[in-house]
Amino acid sequence: KQEVTQIPAALSVPEGENLVLNCSFTDSAIYNLQWFRQDPGKGLTSLLLIQSSQREQTSGRLNASLDKSSGRSTLYIAASQPGDSATYLCAPQTGSARQLTFGSGTQLTVLP
Amino acid sequence: SAVISQKPSRDICQRGTSLTIQCQVDSQVTMMFWYRQQPGQSLTLIATANQGSEATYESGFVIDKFPISRPNLTFSTLTVSNMSPEDSSIYLCSVEGLRQGATNYGYTFGSGTRLTVV
Repeated sequence: KQEVTQIPAALSVPEGENLVLNCSFTDSAIYNLQWFRQDPGKGLTSLLLIQSSQREQTSGRLNASLDKSSGRSTLYIAASQPGDSATYLCAPQTGSARQLTFGSGTQLTVLP
Repeated sequence: SAVISQKPSRDICQRGTSLTIQCQVDSQVTMMFWYRQQPGQSLTLIATANQGSEATYESGFVIDKFPISRPNLTFSTLTVSNMSPEDSSIYLCSVEGLRQGATNYGYTFGSGTRLTVV
């Protein structure tokens, strides 16, 4: 059964800092891995999708890397802004139903 | 990627009653997924709904408590039955994006239904 761990659980940084969120997973037989953000009480917004054959994916100030063999993914956020404050969730896709398994998330607060 | 409309966005319900959550997708999809997010927790998969067959439930979730309908390829409902305060959660539906060429759009989520049981 896939298990996903995200570190740190919470992070508070001043505006402008570059930061790294970590995700590890136990079953390396993944189809792809997706990063989401969730604002309080809201649904999920997809940030980046990395396919199993890729090593990284970029969108604006976000860059996600994937090391499938070691079961790790990293989300890098450059020049953080208060609007980046949210919970970030990592979710590898595995199994015959291609379902997502979620980590517990990293709660990010960017202080102005 | 797919666009999902989920409703209601929130509700406050009396214990012992039932609530049906609707999820409408703007394109045909084979599988739809229903998740629960309890307060302060991450998302847990409740069940996978295929059109034309019974939903597949994850461990800890049963059809009597969470009946699911999937009448066509763009619509599904999840009912939370005989509710108790422990059912207070955010419920979300999700679909996998259509694959076009080499592009996989990944999963898209509805905006969620915030349920409070009193």
